[in-house]
Amino acid sequence: EVQLLESGGGLVQPGGSLRLSCAASGFRFSDFAMTWVRQAPGKGLEWVSVITGAGATTYYADSVRGRFTISRDNSKNTVYLRMSSLRAEDTAVYFCARAIYYKYYMDVWGKGTTVTVSS
Amino acid sequence: QTVVTQEPSFSVSPGGTVTLTCGLTSGSVSARYHPSWYQQTPGLAPRTVIDSTNTRSSGVPDRFSGSILGNKAALTITGAQPDDESDYYCVLYMGSGNWVFGGGTKLTVL
Repeated sequence: EVQLLESGGGLVQPGGSLRLSCAASGFRFSDFAMTWVRQAPGKGLEWVSVITGAGATTYYADSVRGRFTISRDNSKNTVYLRMSSLRAEDTAVYFCARAIYYKYYMDVWGKGTTVTVSS
Repeated sequence: QTVVTQEPSFSVSPGGTVTLTCGLTSGSVSARYHPSWYQQTPGLAPRTVIDSTNTRSSGVPDRFSGSILGNKAALTITGAQPDDESDYYCVLYMGSGNWVFGGGTKLTVL
């Protein structure tokens, strides 16, 4: 069974940092791009970042570029999102999703991890 | 800045047909934007409903279908069921590795 499990969320002060992890199982991890999508309380979905299967290429939404870094460790079947200079508006549930990159859609989603940025 | 538009809310009677749309504030949605559709029950993770080739994801009932209608992408539910009451999001691929979600449509079945 294909599964994605996020972890690493929590409460962090404005300006602080946090690293999210997404552990994958049930598929050949290195064959797939991975994305992060977030959802602020009561709001819609917002695409955050994507990394290709080998990790060679990454892209970011304008709202996080320069503050967030996506990476992956294919030996651990895990994708990461390093978040720094966090702001109140980064408060959200963060979902990781497997991406069918050459067809430009996401097909499997994790349950999400909650990040709260507050003093 | 181009925004992806969706109806904020829609209502359909059980057994009825509803078409949710996904447009752009500037320009037309075409296949080159690779539209896909996601269903989300509040508090839960999204679920992929229609992929960018207008194919239903595994386990999605055949009452769901995707298409391009005029200048928008469309998600049609034919014979809506109470279980279909959810939020629905489209996402468009804008190029250069970037996706943009629409604001979502809250579908009520009653």
